[in-house]
Amino acid sequence: ELKVEQNPLFLSMQEGKNYTIYCNYSTTSDRLYWYRQDPGKSLESLFVLLSNGAVKQEGRLMASLDTKARLSTLHITAAVHDLSATYFCAVDDDKIIFGKGTRLHILP
Amino acid sequence: DVKVTQSSRYLVKRTGEKVFLECVQDMDHENMFWYRQDPGLGLRLIYFSYDVKMKEKGDIPEGYSVSREKKERFSLILESASTNQTSMYLCASSLDRGRTEAFFGQGTRLTVV
Repeated sequence: ELKVEQNPLFLSMQEGKNYTIYCNYSTTSDRLYWYRQDPGKSLESLFVLLSNGAVKQEGRLMASLDTKARLSTLHITAAVHDLSATYFCAVDDDKIIFGKGTRLHILP
Repeated sequence: DVKVTQSSRYLVKRTGEKVFLECVQDMDHENMFWYRQDPGLGLRLIYFSYDVKMKEKGDIPEGYSVSREKKERFSLILESASTNQTSMYLCASSLDRGRTEAFFGQGTRLTVV
């Protein structure tokens, strides 16, 4: 059974700081997605990672995939309050399975 | 833009009722998914479908069934609603298998009383 584990599950950080969210998974899949969810809203796609070593960046967020380690990271650079949300990773192993999410709270 | 539309934003149903949750996508996507989202548990896959009239069980199919008679529509059915099925239900679609992300509807918050 495919397992997807994110950590931390909750993160409170100061504006301007850097931090990384980790996503470990249990299969050999090379297809991984990151999503953002704001309170009361649905999920919005952030990044699509489709090969070992893939790196994608958008603004202050950067995602990477290491299929040999079965690990993806979402790095936040110089956090701002607008990035407060819940972030999910999802692994595509013919069916798309999600981690439990990381609730990110950025303090001004 | 891909649009995935769920028929209701909020629903309140009684225990034992048969409940239909409808989802329609307008981008000719092959794949459709139903998830439920509960605090602390993330999104859990109930059923998915890669083609019309095709369905596959996800991780928590018990108490649910699905129907996909047309490519654009994927229905989730609660045969006899129970209080432990109170949850947020999210429908999603994706273009094809394995290379594209899923796009989500706005969600249906179902309360079973």
